[in-house]
Amino acid sequence: GESVGLHLPTLSVQEGDNSIINCAYSNSASDYFIWYKQESGKGPQFIIDIRSNMDKRQGQRVTVLLNKTVKHLSLQIAATQPGDSAVYFCAEDMEYGNKLVFGAGTILRVKS
Amino acid sequence: DTEVTQTPKHLVMGMTNKKSLKCEQHMGHRAMYWYKQKAKKPPELMFVYSYEKLSINESVPSRFSPECPNSSLLNLHLHALQPEDSALYLCASSQEYSNTEAFFGQGTRLTVV
Repeated sequence: GESVGLHLPTLSVQEGDNSIINCAYSNSASDYFIWYKQESGKGPQFIIDIRSNMDKRQGQRVTVLLNKTVKHLSLQIAATQPGDSAVYFCAEDMEYGNKLVFGAGTILRVKS
Repeated sequence: DTEVTQTPKHLVMGMTNKKSLKCEQHMGHRAMYWYKQKAKKPPELMFVYSYEKLSINESVPSRFSPECPNSSLLNLHLHALQPEDSALYLCASSQEYSNTEAFFGQGTRLTVV
């Protein structure tokens, strides 16, 4: 499910299911995008990145999709595990290599 | 070594105090960043240093004063802070001009009383 308003959107999934986390970015000139995972009390941790000349990139259990037409990113996590529970942020590079700006974030909760 | 190390991990300071946050990386990165993160919010960019020179200041109040003494170190000097400045302060570094990911430290949890 999701919550809106003053709270971060929340995605609850069953362990073993696939997760899809979405993000809308703001600047059509941004040419580099990153997904970060942030666990409670820790700094953001790199998951996967994609450049604007690509529309899909795969990592280990994760896939990022980029739709430049509608300025949308998504992160797909296959076979979601309890250790995937965290807040996920997309970030866009608004000036070449120099200004990384974060989206609002989504809480992922994995139910065992 | 892919670590960004921040000290201290926690800091409580009064509104009249002067304190400094420290950040260190040994990855040869030439871009370093300070971010501020409030609870349940994304990190907000404060400052960017490029080759030890301040390249971006996101209209941060002057009670926050960054310093980059060399390519491995980044400081954030704090003076006359307000309780609303309480937050997690994150340092990050990246290679310059190569569109690679920024590596983040664990942050300093700052409480202003």
